[in-house]
Amino acid sequence: AQSVTQPDIHITVSEGASLELRCNYSYGATPYLFWYVQSPGQGLQLLLKYFSGDTLVQGIKGFEAEFKRSQSSFNLRKPSVHWSDAAEYFCAVGAPPGNQFYFGTGTSLTVIP
Amino acid sequence: DGGITQSPKYLFRKEGQNVTLSCEQNLNHDAMYWYRQDPGQGLRLIYYSQIVNDFQKGDIAEGYSVSREKKESFPLTVTSAQKNPTAFYLCASRGQGANSPLHFGNGTRLTVT
Repeated sequence: AQSVTQPDIHITVSEGASLELRCNYSYGATPYLFWYVQSPGQGLQLLLKYFSGDTLVQGIKGFEAEFKRSQSSFNLRKPSVHWSDAAEYFCAVGAPPGNQFYFGTGTSLTVIP
Repeated sequence: DGGITQSPKYLFRKEGQNVTLSCEQNLNHDAMYWYRQDPGQGLRLIYYSQIVNDFQKGDIAEGYSVSREKKESFPLTVTSAQKNPTAFYLCASRGQGANSPLHFGNGTRLTVT
């Protein structure tokens, strides 16, 4: 069965520091991978997605993610975190050819000045 | 701008009452979804619909019902049979193509006392 694991429930970083949020998935073939961000009381906003090609994908707000097939990972990175990046981050797998999405349990990011 | 509108933002009901959450989209998407979000549990799929007049149960459909009479609308009814209805509910839609991402509304927070 498909599944997504985000091993870090909560991460705290200083403003200006680099960030890496981990995501591991379980799926038999190459999945479609997504990262979303959620501010408190809001819906989820798409940061970036991967489905083929270059394994390093760029997204909005300066985020990037790298797909590593050998590690079944799709980690999210940002070189320099801003206070406005404090939010909940969700990794998701879309399993082709159907319409099911599977979400991780999320990582809450706190940014300290 | 195209998007997904969920209403109301906050909803309060007494235990034993049914309540309907509204979801409307103008993205011309065929597929629509309802997720429930609880702290620390990520997003759990309640129901989804890939086409008008058709829908499927997700992982936690018990105590919920939906209808899909129009492409633009996918209302969710939380019935009195749902044992723990207090939660944040998110509606989403998705375009054609297996690699299309989910687009989310801003959610409805339901509190049942």
